Amino acid sequence: QVQLQQSGPGLVRPSQTLSLTCAISGDSVSSNSAAWNWIRQSPSRGLEWLGRTYYRSKWYTDYAPSVKSRITVNPDTSKNQFSLQLNSVTPEDTAVYYCARAVFGVVRDLMYNWFEVWGQGTLVTVSS
Amino acid sequence: DIQMTQSPSSLSASVGDRVTITCRAGQSISGYLSWFQQKPGKAPKLLIYAASNLQSGVPSRFSGSGSGTDFTLTISSLQPEDFATFYCLQTYSAPFTFGPGTKVDIK
Repeated sequence: QVQLQQSGPGLVRPSQTLSLTCAISGDSVSSNSAAWNWIRQSPSRGLEWLGRTYYRSKWYTDYAPSVKSRITVNPDTSKNQFSLQLNSVTPEDTAVYYCARAVFGVVRDLMYNWFEVWGQGTLVTVSS
Repeated sequence: DIQMTQSPSSLSASVGDRVTITCRAGQSISGYLSWFQQKPGKAPKLLIYAASNLQSGVPSRFSGSGSGTDFTLTISSLQPEDFATFYCLQTYSAPFTFGPGTKVDIK
């Protein structure tokens, strides 16, 4: 059974860097049939996908345009986890942040992916 | 980005009612749509993937349908534990985008 455990500070000062980690159990961050995602949720923005990393013979990342200039999602194979870094935060970045595993599979002869396991969520407040 | 809308934004229903929630994509997403249930203080829980596939462990009263731009989530007989907010998510192309949610509460 795959589980994701998030860790990181709940308070970040404006202009600083938000850093969260998601530890994986029951799967490998290097899996060829999964992708590792970060999503956030706030009352003003709803659920917002931020980015992902995945391994298919080499590492790939995708980022949402809204945060692309400020975000890094990195795998850590030695600790079987992945991380989120969001630079130059403002109060608008205050949200509950989730990590999630998306699995890939064939359905009706097409390749799909679905977000089947989520971390517990971390409320991150950006405030001085 | 592919915009996702949901209707209604909220509804009141009674235990035993049949409930239908609609999700519409701003362009065709084939069947690349998932449905989630979220309760206060909890992470979203996957109900349906690939538009109509029931996630393992999810009760069969939940079903999904649709393709292209229009999708529905149906709860055939609403149970007390089903009162929550429901979201759709398109995974046709990154950036993946969620609908704004439909809150289902007790009439």
